Amino acid sequence: GQNIDQPTEMTATEGAIVQINCTYQTSGFNGLFWYQQHAGEAPTFLSYNVLDGLEEKGRFSSFLSRSKGYSYLLLKELQMKDSASYLCASYNTDKLIFGTGTRLQVFP
Amino acid sequence: EAEVAQSPRYKITEKSQAVAFWCDPISGHATLYWYRQILGQGPELLVQFQDESVVDDSQLPKDRFSAERLKGVDSTLKIQPAELGDSAMYLCASSLTGGSYGYTFGSGTRLTVV
Repeated sequence: GQNIDQPTEMTATEGAIVQINCTYQTSGFNGLFWYQQHAGEAPTFLSYNVLDGLEEKGRFSSFLSRSKGYSYLLLKELQMKDSASYLCASYNTDKLIFGTGTRLQVFP
Repeated sequence: EAEVAQSPRYKITEKSQAVAFWCDPISGHATLYWYRQILGQGPELLVQFQDESVVDDSQLPKDRFSAERLKGVDSTLKIQPAELGDSAMYLCASSLTGGSYGYTFGSGTRLTVV
C-alpha cells in the first residue's frame, strides 16, 4: 500500500530554522516532491529529490534517504509569508501521492 | 508563465444537483490529473488522463462522478448528484511526461454542497 506520514502542525518564530519531516512507504518510488500551499490556493512546487542527499535552493533545502524512506524540508530565515501548508508527495510510476500536509505557523 | 486554467473558482450547489468543473491544461501537456482536496488533508487523485485516455480512475466514485477529455486537451469533471461530503477543493494539474518533472496545478474550484 501507499503510506506517507508528516506532522500535522508545526510552529516557529520569524528568523528561525524549521525542519519538516516526511516518511513514506510506497511501491514504485521514483522521487520525492515538496509543495507549498497557502490557504485556499493551489500547491506550488518547491523541490524534487531523486537521489539521496541534500538539494539546496535559497532558503529552502530538501533531503532524501531512499534506504530509510525519509525526507525532510528545511526552511531557513523564516518569514511570516512562509506560514502555509507543506505537502510531501511521493512520485510513483507516473503520479504523485500526497501526504496530508504540515501546517506551519510562523510567529513574530 | 503558462498556467493551468480552471473554472469556476467557487461553486455552491444544493445536494442532489449536478455540477461540472472545467480545466484547460498547459499547451502541450499530455497528462492531466484531477485531485480532490478535503479541508485539512492532502490532495487525493481522482482521475489521470494521458491524452484523451483514462490511465487511472481507481479512486473515482463512478456512481456519481464522471470525467472526460474528449480531444485530449481540456477536461470536464462532473458530479451528479452532489452530496454534502463532496464539499472540497477540486484541483486540476498537468504535466509533460507523466509527472517526472512535477505538476503544474490550476487555482482549483472550491465546491460547497448545501
